[in-house]
Amino acid sequence: QSVLTQPPSVSAAPGQKVTISCSGSSSNIGNNYVSWYQQLPGTAPKLLIFENNKRPSGIPDRFSGSKSGTSVTLGITGLQTGDEADYYCGTWDASLGAGVFGGGTKLTVL
Amino acid sequence: QVQLVESGGGVVQPGRSLRLSCAASGFSFSNYGMHWVRQAPGKGLEWVAVIWYDGSKKSYADSVKGRFTISRDISKNTLYLQMNSLKAEDTALYYCARVYCSGGGCFTPGYWGQGTLVTVSS
Repeated sequence: QSVLTQPPSVSAAPGQKVTISCSGSSSNIGNNYVSWYQQLPGTAPKLLIFENNKRPSGIPDRFSGSKSGTSVTLGITGLQTGDEADYYCGTWDASLGAGVFGGGTKLTVL
Repeated sequence: QVQLVESGGGVVQPGRSLRLSCAASGFSFSNYGMHWVRQAPGKGLEWVAVIWYDGSKKSYADSVKGRFTISRDISKNTLYLQMNSLKAEDTALYYCARVYCSGGGCFTPGYWGQGTLVTVSS
């Protein structure tokens, strides 16, 4: 059971938009920055979003992040088949004194 | 460019020990904190441990506290994870990751290696 809760799967058609939610508590998301990671099949995770809504250089603006209270959302527009991957949210949990990840969401581009 | 190469994985019996290494290059190793994150076969990411850039602070997941030790050797640009009293549930692909730095600080795992597989089995 993950500290951060994500839907197991989402799907959408190419060119469409999808959102992935991640919910936590005041000890983690509520009071810390959140990052999002993309893990393509058979590869290492890649940082997509940091500090809730910022993109590292090289990450297209099709990817966006937002935060409200103890939840964050990853948005992906103009879906491409190459976006099919597992997506994870992650942050620090002050109560646990440890890093935490969501259980991951598998994105299928139909 | 940042390069991280993990090694030291393998098959080990329950209760035994193993030390993982992560060779870092392409950046000033002594200036950045480092994480270990693992992923059991077919499962999600699990954060394992972090060490501050100067080694002054270390934190661990409850699942490994007291059994695993994170350390770094600045002279060798290498991060380590000493794993003792290994259990079947420690079976996973172990990634090392360098923190990503921004105006908000340096903490989130930003650059990842390709991982080294640890299998705990009799």
